[in-house]
Amino acid sequence: AQKITQTQPGMFVQEKEAVTLDCTYDTSDPSYGLFWYKQPSSGEMIFLIYQGSYDQQNATEGRYSLNFQKARKSANLVISASQLGDSAMYFCAMREGDQGGSEKLVFGKGTKLTVNP
Amino acid sequence: KAGVTQTPRYLIKTRGQQVTLSCSPISGHRSVSWYQQTPGQGLQFLFEYFSETQRNKGNFPGRFSGRQFSNSRSEMNVSTLELGDSALYLCASSIPSVEQFFGPGTRLTVL
Repeated sequence: AQKITQTQPGMFVQEKEAVTLDCTYDTSDPSYGLFWYKQPSSGEMIFLIYQGSYDQQNATEGRYSLNFQKARKSANLVISASQLGDSAMYFCAMREGDQGGSEKLVFGKGTKLTVNP
Repeated sequence: KAGVTQTPRYLIKTRGQQVTLSCSPISGHRSVSWYQQTPGQGLQFLFEYFSETQRNKGNFPGRFSGRQFSNSRSEMNVSTLELGDSALYLCASSIPSVEQFFGPGTRLTVL
């Protein structure tokens, strides 16, 4: 069963607008972590934001915020005030057993974001 | 603080050869994980090393192996290369149990 689902293969947004990238996950482990990474065409995976399953508040990092809805098993990434440099692939990933034992990440298929001027 | 480094950045090999890729984690990080990224299969977990021990392994054939040294640097080896091994190989380091940071990757082309 697919554990991370990103249903938007591609998204378009106008510069300076906000955009939400969807991610749903499936796990029976009560302890897990959710990650978002950005991958520009150069290939490097850039860490954006992390949310632990026990975190009470939604994670935020600058223009990035994670809309974590535990009951719905969703962890959507919100990018505010999009910039041209935000154009890239975005991957959602999950680490089960988040309190130790394995660092294995399971990735979704990604969403290609294009920011238009 | 220096990020995760991977060497070499690009490699071209022929079928049947073997290859060794290197990953130096962020200072203080003891866990190193390796991933293979291809257009068809996406990002797939290869293995994870923590304190010189393989802690987890993905579903890859035995031609894929790795190790970790006492300074936490890690190498992965692919023997008897096949065309399908052409991919971007990424390593990630972590403390662990907090954020994971990736290196720039090694792009392997098998001819």
